[in-house]
Amino acid sequence: SQTIHQWPATLVQPVGSPLSLECTVEGTSNPNLYWYRQAAGRGLQLLFYSVGIGQISSEVPQNLSASRPQDRQFILSSKKLLLSDSGFYLCAWSTNTGELFFGEGSRLTVL
Amino acid sequence: KNQVEQSPQSLIILEGKNCTLQCNYTVSPFSNLRWYKQDTGRGPVSLTIMTFSENTKSNGRYTATLDADTKQSSLHITASQLSDSASYICVVSGLNTDKLIFGTGTRLQVFP
Repeated sequence: SQTIHQWPATLVQPVGSPLSLECTVEGTSNPNLYWYRQAAGRGLQLLFYSVGIGQISSEVPQNLSASRPQDRQFILSSKKLLLSDSGFYLCAWSTNTGELFFGEGSRLTVL
Repeated sequence: KNQVEQSPQSLIILEGKNCTLQCNYTVSPFSNLRWYKQDTGRGPVSLTIMTFSENTKSNGRYTATLDADTKQSSLHITASQLSDSASYICVVSGLNTDKLIFGTGTRLQVFP
């Protein structure tokens, strides 16, 4: 069966520090991969999605970047965090039917 | 503009009672509608996914309905349990696109 792992679960970082959130999927090959951000009282906002290794599409201009170095690995990064980067980040993957499966999320607090 | 609106924003019910959550959307052309359950601090988990031709779909005590003509969906929870306390998110997908439109969710609290 397919599983998705996302880490770290929680992270407290100072403003200006770098960020790396990792996500891996097991049990499937060539999945579509996504990074979402969820702010309190708002719907999930798509940040990046990838249909293959090295293929990244950005939905919203921001202080973040994404990379897909391997088929089932998706990384969300920042060189210098801003206060506004605080939030709950969710990695997800989808099947060829479009069904979406989410990771457990990463709570980022920027101080 | 493609939008998904959910109501109520929050809901409190007693254990054992039924409740219905609403989702209205303006996404067109429409492909499918999904309901997710999200426990606090966790990732959303899929409850149901419905296509244009489906009117009702059940998953245990959860029953989703879809009226594609009026662009409305509901999620009915029967005999609520404490573990039903969560946010319920409605997500709509348009045709010929992989973009998903997320509602802001309904926060359900079930008290004993």
